[in-house]
Amino acid sequence: NAGVTQTPKFRILKIGQSMTLQCAQDMNHNYMYWYRQDPGMGLKLIYYSVGAGITDKGEVPNGYNVSRSTTEDFPLRLELAAPSQTSVYFCASSRQGNQETQYFGPGTRLLVL
Amino acid sequence: GQSLEQPSEVTAVEGAIVQINCTYQTSGFYGLSWYQQHDGGAPTFLSYNALDGLEETGRFSSFLSRSDSYGYLLLQELQMKDSASYFCAVIDDYKLSFGAGTTVTVRA
Repeated sequence: NAGVTQTPKFRILKIGQSMTLQCAQDMNHNYMYWYRQDPGMGLKLIYYSVGAGITDKGEVPNGYNVSRSTTEDFPLRLELAAPSQTSVYFCASSRQGNQETQYFGPGTRLLVL
Repeated sequence: GQSLEQPSEVTAVEGAIVQINCTYQTSGFYGLSWYQQHDGGAPTFLSYNALDGLEETGRFSSFLSRSDSYGYLLLQELQMKDSASYFCAVIDDYKLSFGAGTTVTVRA
């Protein structure tokens, strides 16, 4: 049982490039989330999904896209990377929507130059 | 929208007790959670309050007053490994909204 896994761990992008951050969970959780965390700050919700085929915007969705074709996977797509997207990205999952416990992946550090 | 306030930093010595306060303003509210994050690591769940009162989990306790929109995390018998950032988070519908975090530094 690996929990929530994320790849890559670290990536450097040039301005205007695109990439996909991968997230997978093996706990059969319906709810999955993407957050970004800027230095010294809390986590801000980018997108979330309540089940396969269903996604919705969070607090800071601009510049990102998501898809949820399976229960296990929830990739985050960055199009036209900008320096403002330099951050640490965390994926999380939970069994129920209003459950108190979200399980976080180890994070992806992204640097856009 | 959501607004959460917590102190930015707290420093204490080993064995001491630390209380981290969190006040919130939310449009909806299911409960208040607390997460711990060590430097360079992922947030991990610590505690949750849906109803008023105190919840105790080992050395950590969490309190909630819904009428005051206020909660706190109490860290007892501080250990060096407790040096980390602590975040309060409001559960609204099925989304978490996090505070900016409190950095706790434990000194020998």
